[in-house]
Amino acid sequence: DTAVSQTPKYLVTQMGNDKSIKCEQNLGHDTMYWYKQDSKKFLKIMFSYNNKELIINETVPNRFSPKSPDKAHLNLHINSLELGDSAVYFCASSGNRDGYTFGSGTRLTVV
Amino acid sequence: RKEVEQDPGPFNVPEGATVAFNCTYSNSASQSFFWYRQDCRKEPKLLMSVYSSGNEDGRFTAQLNRASQYISLLIRDSKLSDSATYLCVVIIAGNQFYFGTGTSLTVIP
Repeated sequence: DTAVSQTPKYLVTQMGNDKSIKCEQNLGHDTMYWYKQDSKKFLKIMFSYNNKELIINETVPNRFSPKSPDKAHLNLHINSLELGDSAVYFCASSGNRDGYTFGSGTRLTVV
Repeated sequence: RKEVEQDPGPFNVPEGATVAFNCTYSNSASQSFFWYRQDCRKEPKLLMSVYSSGNEDGRFTAQLNRASQYISLLIRDSKLSDSATYLCVVIIAGNQFYFGTGTSLTVIP
């Protein structure tokens, strides 16, 4: 019944590794997002997809690559992880003016 | 200039107090406004929408002032459970959502 579900919830990995975070929404929303929340708690948008098409791509290193196989899924792949990538990554979806619904977050720790 | 500005606080208030947060936005074409609440180590959750006519939900009142380009959130009779970070969100057009940095509230017994 979870509206926006993302996995894994926790991810601890070594520098240089490649990892993926998955996100799925069952709300029928057309738009999905990835946000990064760092230690200072600021939520910063990374990517936005509308109906599988990329519409927002903020200044994010090329090591981050989103993939949307369909409008209910938006995955985030990160290559060559760095210490500074440690943060909480939130997936979200929205439908028109409904506001956002967030996933519960993935806490990534790079060691 | 940031699209949305919020006083980060922290606000520390005693139980029962009334507290208000403001959030200013820079784009006059902004269309929709929301307040979100984020508890520690949790995802942000929609608290309430903000309308020009004001919006009240129990102890919470949200207001929009288009002339001065700010939204406000008033919490009356603060409870310990109100302790959280409150984020304002402004939609400019379509899918252009902008979050404030959040205001931290701690309600003290």
